[in-house]
Amino acid sequence: GAGVSQTPSNKVTEKGKYVELRCDPISGHTALYWYRQSLGQGPEFLIYFQGTGAADDSGLPNDRFFAVRPEGSVSTLKIQRTERGDSAVYLCASSLVGTGTDTQYFGPGTRLTVL
Amino acid sequence: QQQVKQSPQSLIVQKGGISIINCAYENTAFDYFPWYQQFPGKGPALLIAIRPDVSEKKEGRFTISFNKSAKQFSLHIMDSQPGDSATYFCAVFQAARLTFGEGTQLTVNP
Repeated sequence: GAGVSQTPSNKVTEKGKYVELRCDPISGHTALYWYRQSLGQGPEFLIYFQGTGAADDSGLPNDRFFAVRPEGSVSTLKIQRTERGDSAVYLCASSLVGTGTDTQYFGPGTRLTVL
Repeated sequence: QQQVKQSPQSLIVQKGGISIINCAYENTAFDYFPWYQQFPGKGPALLIAIRPDVSEKKEGRFTISFNKSAKQFSLHIMDSQPGDSATYFCAVFQAARLTFGEGTQLTVNP
């Protein structure tokens, strides 16, 4: 079956530009997560959606980062005024209900490079 | 603050050998303890997970050993194969959030 998909797979942008990263979760999964993975590090939590609402956005590093999930399916991570330090792989994951210990399934990620 | 410390950073074993990766955590309030496997260019994939009320869980060649009092858990890969070469992450789970260790790059030589 289809897994979590993310587009684009690679994004190169210039410092100060705005970028949008898209995540298509597994069909029927109500919970969606964004993580950021820097080179040689483990993924770092950014935000968690339960349905359309952000249940936990405490991992967003600053107000340049924003994410939406307007219809409870596809999600977009938006980064304003990008900085070189934003360069990383942005991973999206989804899970069936987001409660208990149900498995988070990860997409392949979007590699963001800020020049 | 680093809640999960993973070691070693890299590990090389021969085919058929045992690979052991260790993790230590700092908080007692986690719900479960998964291990993820990641291949280059792919997202992490759940390998095996254990609840804090269980001391050991085995699935095929993979075993988690959990020591609640020491706040440590480890992954053992028996009969390691070249196809196991990947980066392994331990994690702790609480309130829908995964907190990952820094990863161990495992290389299994033929």
